Amino acid sequence: GQQVMQIPQYQHVQEGEDFTTYCNSSTTLSNIQWYKQRPGGHPVFLIQLVKSGEVKKQKRLTFQFGEAKKNSSLHITATQTTDVGTYFCAAGGSNYKLTFGKGTLLTVNP
Amino acid sequence: EAQVTQNPRYLITVTGKKLTVTCSQNMNHEYMSWYRQDPGLGLRQIYYSMNVEVTDKGDVPEGYKVSRKEKRNFPLILESPSPNQTSLYFCASSLDRWDQPQHFGDGTRLSIL
Repeated sequence: GQQVMQIPQYQHVQEGEDFTTYCNSSTTLSNIQWYKQRPGGHPVFLIQLVKSGEVKKQKRLTFQFGEAKKNSSLHITATQTTDVGTYFCAAGGSNYKLTFGKGTLLTVNP
Repeated sequence: EAQVTQNPRYLITVTGKKLTVTCSQNMNHEYMSWYRQDPGLGLRQIYYSMNVEVTDKGDVPEGYKVSRKEKRNFPLILESPSPNQTSLYFCASSLDRWDQPQHFGDGTRLSIL
């Protein structure tokens, strides 16, 4: 089945530093979604990317979809303690399922 | 308020004692699914449902059953729970396709002793 690899598994940063998580697939993706899960919470939808090369921004968060639609990234500029959590990518394929990456756990030292 | 409601939130039970985790959504969504979340393994889909009376296996369906008799409800049934089903479970729904934004419930933490 479709697999989505996400790196790194963990990232610890000092408040104010930037953070990036990457998502890669061996197959072309129809779209990719990003979710955030706060500690003790449930995944919350952040954004969906559909077009090749698409870049979307939400305040300090920048999301990119690769030209070949096989990879994506989430970049956070100047992290804050409120950014703590696990960030998941999720790929929609042709098999009626959404496949999640294993997530990147971000911790921020104030 | 648009939401996905799961019950119970926490459950400790014993091996072999049948249990049901309920999931209900009030958004008239057609697509619903169940995930389990385990450390280091991320979110893995157990079952999904495209619409009423239409269900299919996800990636880890063994030991689980589901039903979709009404559009709003999608219960997860463990007929004979075992310790390896100890996990955090999430129900999710989306408008009408699997590749649309998913709305997750608050989760159910199951411990099978």
